[in-house]
Amino acid sequence: DTAVSQTPKYLVTQMGNDKSIKCEQNLGHDTMYWYKQDSKKFLKIMFSYNNKELIINETVPNRFSPKSPDKAHLNLHINSLELGDSAVYFCASSQDQGREAFFGQGTRLTVV
Amino acid sequence: SQKIEQNSEALNIQEGKTATLTCNYTNYSPAYLQWYRQDPGRGPVFLLLIRENEKEKRKERLKVTFDTTLKQSLFHITASQPADSATYLCALRDAGNMLTFGGGTRLMVKP
Repeated sequence: DTAVSQTPKYLVTQMGNDKSIKCEQNLGHDTMYWYKQDSKKFLKIMFSYNNKELIINETVPNRFSPKSPDKAHLNLHINSLELGDSAVYFCASSQDQGREAFFGQGTRLTVV
Repeated sequence: SQKIEQNSEALNIQEGKTATLTCNYTNYSPAYLQWYRQDPGRGPVFLLLIRENEKEKRKERLKVTFDTTLKQSLFHITASQPADSATYLCALRDAGNMLTFGGGTRLMVKP
């Protein structure tokens, strides 16, 4: 069984659309994250979610919002997509904040 | 703000040699520091975690050091192999409690 799984793996969409990426972890971890990896391969933290406490990277536009229906899921919603949102988005989880993280396979988002 | 710096230039070494990668950080004193490996098209994979009270940690051919005075961690791969070619990232929990990554260093091991 995949520890951290995210869907879809690829997502191509037009500017202005709203889209969601789903993430699920079966490790029983308390903390989940979303990262954005741009074309220069820099991995930027977007959100950290731990026991209903959301920590937001202040540089992330409010068009991005994480939603956690339960401890095992943290979905990413993006409104009004822009060209600059094109990147690979990774979901990850860890036992607690700062401990070793387990990553999903990534979702390559392309905005056209 | 917290800065984590890794050499952005690729490191090219010959098979069998020891690869040494550097991670420097500023403006914070993390309780522990982590190293990950990332292959093209895949998510990062955790390798090692070293705590602030540990000077050195080993796992098979990997060795990590942590100098809290210099604010630096060194990551060594001994007897390197072409299969070790990948991007290596260091990470730490920053003052905002977020697991933050450096820019990574690409390692190329030539046969």
